[in-house]
Amino acid sequence: SQKIEQNSEALNIQEGKTATLTCNYTNYSPAYLQWYRQDPGRGPVFLLLIRENEKEKRKERLKVTFDTTLKQSLFHITASQPADSATYLCALLRFSNSGYALNFGKGTSLLVTP
Amino acid sequence: EAGVTQFPSHSVIEKGQTVTLRCDPISGHDNLYWYRRVMGKEIKFLLHFVKESKQDESGMPNNRFLAERTGGTYSTLKVQPAELEDSGVYFCASSQVGGSVGAFYYNEQFFGPGTRLTVL
Repeated sequence: SQKIEQNSEALNIQEGKTATLTCNYTNYSPAYLQWYRQDPGRGPVFLLLIRENEKEKRKERLKVTFDTTLKQSLFHITASQPADSATYLCALLRFSNSGYALNFGKGTSLLVTP
Repeated sequence: EAGVTQFPSHSVIEKGQTVTLRCDPISGHDNLYWYRRVMGKEIKFLLHFVKESKQDESGMPNNRFLAERTGGTYSTLKVQPAELEDSGVYFCASSQVGGSVGAFYYNEQFFGPGTRLTVL
């Protein structure tokens, strides 16, 4: 069966440090992996998409790496700021004869303290 | 440009009652998705519309849930009769349909703020 696992423990880091979040998956092929940010009371907001033939993607202070051998993606926020505090969700596209939809992990809560 | 909107933001009903949730997608987005997050679990897919047609409803929990998208614009999700386990946050998302024939092109899904449903 398809699974997406994220570290359920909250990640607390100091402002200015790099936050690294992990997403592990099984039985997704092809793998189109995405990272979303979710703030309390709001819906998920798309951040980055990385395809299985890509090793790395960057967007401003965000970097995503993808290791299809390990079935793992790492999500980095460099020079973290308190405003980066949120829950970060990993998601993969689930393909079917009818089209595709998103399967999500449970998310990892990030708290950046000044 | 307005984002995806959902109404109501919060609904509290008693077991056995009926509730209807509404989603207004971004104008021009033919794809519309419903997702749900119950307490302690991940966000899960419910169904997918392309315009007014149900493309995939494999995630709908049971026949107490009915989704419609008349005219291919806004969508409603009705729960009748509601049960305790239906409590959770219901999200709607929309995206454009795109890409050339034979090619796969993924268009970002934009999520609404969700409707928090509490069944007592």
